[in-house]
Amino acid sequence: QKEVEQNSGPLSVPEGAIASLNCTYSDRGSQSFFWYRQYSGKSPELIMFIYSNGDKEDGRFTAQLNKASQYVSLLIRDSQPSDSATYLCAVNIGYSTLTFGKGTMLLVSP
Amino acid sequence: GAVVSQHPSWVICKSGTSVKIECRSLDFQATTMFWYRQFPKQSLMLMATSNEGSKATYEQGVEKDKFLINHASLTLSTLTVTSAHPEDSSFYICSARDYRRYSGGFSTYNEQFFGPGTRLTVL
Repeated sequence: QKEVEQNSGPLSVPEGAIASLNCTYSDRGSQSFFWYRQYSGKSPELIMFIYSNGDKEDGRFTAQLNKASQYVSLLIRDSQPSDSATYLCAVNIGYSTLTFGKGTMLLVSP
Repeated sequence: GAVVSQHPSWVICKSGTSVKIECRSLDFQATTMFWYRQFPKQSLMLMATSNEGSKATYEQGVEKDKFLINHASLTLSTLTVTSAHPEDSSFYICSARDYRRYSGGFSTYNEQFFGPGTRLTVL
């Protein structure tokens, strides 16, 4: 059974710091990896996806993938209070459904 | 691009009534849509996968006769909660996968774009 694990948090960082969010997955066949942001009471919003080992950068966000370690992370540089949300990691194999982690709550203090 | 809408955004109904929720992909075609349910402070739970022109695939433990799904076109899927009860009160969220991204064949990408959600309260 596919599992995606995330620390529930909350992860607290001061404004301007780097927030590091981690995710591990159990299925070695997983091919695509996604980070979603979910504000309280709202639906998830896709931040970025990655499917090759290494880093992928998009603005203040960097996704890192290490398939050998079955580990994917999301770095948020220059964290802002508006980044305070729950971050969901999701993985899939090929054309299958996404398996979501339970999410990590991030709190950025001014 | 990749905008998904849901209607209604919230609904309050009496126990025993049925509620229909619509999910639309506004600027792309979605052969596959997904229905999730999320209880307060809980993770997303996939209820079913809705495929255009065919029957939905339900996750284990989800009653297909209670949660009716219809995906009649490439831009619309509906979820009907039949004979709703207070325990069905939840946040229902749909997502859609962009068909165009796969028109050239198999792709390892699988981005799902979420609708804004429907908050159902059953009294």
